[in-house]
Amino acid sequence: AQKITQTQPGMFVQEKEAVTLDCTYDTSDQSYGLFWYKQPSSGEMIFLIYQGSYDEQNATEGRYSLNFQKARKSANLVISASQLGDSAMYFCAMREDAGGTSYGKLTFGQGTILTVHP
Amino acid sequence: NAGVTQTPKFQVLKTGQSMTLQCAQDMNHNSMYWYRQDPGMGLRLIYYSASEGTTDKGEVPNGYNVSRLNKREFSLRLESAAPSQTSVYFCASRGEGWGRGEAFFGQGTRLTVV
Repeated sequence: AQKITQTQPGMFVQEKEAVTLDCTYDTSDQSYGLFWYKQPSSGEMIFLIYQGSYDEQNATEGRYSLNFQKARKSANLVISASQLGDSAMYFCAMREDAGGTSYGKLTFGQGTILTVHP
Repeated sequence: NAGVTQTPKFQVLKTGQSMTLQCAQDMNHNSMYWYRQDPGMGLRLIYYSASEGTTDKGEVPNGYNVSRLNKREFSLRLESAAPSQTSVYFCASRGEGWGRGEAFFGQGTRLTVV
């Protein structure tokens, strides 16, 4: 079974509007972390936001917020007020921490390509 | 403020040739990783090193070897390249600890095996 699933291969949004990128995950660990990374066309991986499994509040970083629904095992990224520079591939990733043996290994989803239209 | 540096950025190999991808980080991180990125499959872990002197297999280790030369450097070797190893390779590093501890990635190496 896929540990991280991103069901939207591509998304389109109008500039200045908000967009939600979906991510569901599968783990039996109680302790884990969820990450979103952005990959622009230049290819680098840029960290955006982190949510810990024990965090009670949804994470926010500027225009990025994470809609964390633990019972549903979803960790959707919300980008508010989209900008042309937000056009990129977005990856959801999970780090499973149980027993301290994950050593920070990440499992990635397939990614979602976001296109922002002017 | 280099972060994670990978070399080379691009490489074309013939089937059967060997090469080593180099990675160095200047953040004093203990853990380092090699991932490969293929279309439609996200990034997959090839090998990782939790600390200097240790390495372990990830999800897709076949056809690769690694060396953690010291705390800064973690290299990936293809002994006999195959077309299936055509991919973009990323090195990453991470500091210790729980919580956020995000991984920092290099710029990637685009490898084509013909």
